[in-house]
Amino acid sequence: DAGITQSPRHKVTETGTPVTLRCHQTENHRYMYWYRQDPGHGLRLIHYSYGVKDTDKGEVSDGYSVSRSKTEDFLLTLESATSSQTSVYFCAILPGQGSNYGYTFGSGTRLTVV
Amino acid sequence: QKEVEQNSGPLSVPEGAIASLNCTYSDRVSQSFFWYRQYSGKSPELIMSIYSNGDKEDGRFTAQLNKASQYVSLLIRDSQPSDSATYLCAVYAGGTSYGKLTFGQGTILTVHP
Repeated sequence: DAGITQSPRHKVTETGTPVTLRCHQTENHRYMYWYRQDPGHGLRLIHYSYGVKDTDKGEVSDGYSVSRSKTEDFLLTLESATSSQTSVYFCAILPGQGSNYGYTFGSGTRLTVV
Repeated sequence: QKEVEQNSGPLSVPEGAIASLNCTYSDRVSQSFFWYRQYSGKSPELIMSIYSNGDKEDGRFTAQLNKASQYVSLLIRDSQPSDSATYLCAVYAGGTSYGKLTFGQGTILTVHP
């Protein structure tokens, strides 16, 4: 078990409010990722991290920021939530060296912006 | 043009049949390929990975890769109702892409008794 947890599991928030989602891992993996999943779009990369304080943008990063001050925590912040950010958010880690392992995903956060 | 395309589905097969899921990708330098299974309301779960041309078998699952045609497929033999899920194809480009995977949009598979 890769030991990855996301919190909260569900959240309803109002348009214009900031929201922070947390991803926590217990095994000191270097690479961590935030994806969103929407019907018809599959999983799309928002941001990723390749080490403490090392982060970069993915394909759908507008309106999102991230922080990684510790190896185990990767935070995703919606700076001012909009209805278009209603989605299911998944955190993923890359266990092991190299790309041959595939990701392990957290359980997801279902976010609704009203 | 989407980088990873899957057959749109939904795909419906009878119990015991072979389910065939297909995926094409646009980046010729892609190195690693993965199939994930996702049950409704759950997170994706890795079921197969393949890196070299040819077939790779694991139980009832066979992944097939043809890099020349930029094509990867997943065959599920003796399909069971418990195989009903969304199947996601994912591709790793390699190089300095920091392990990033690009996913297809998914194919919904229903296995009916």
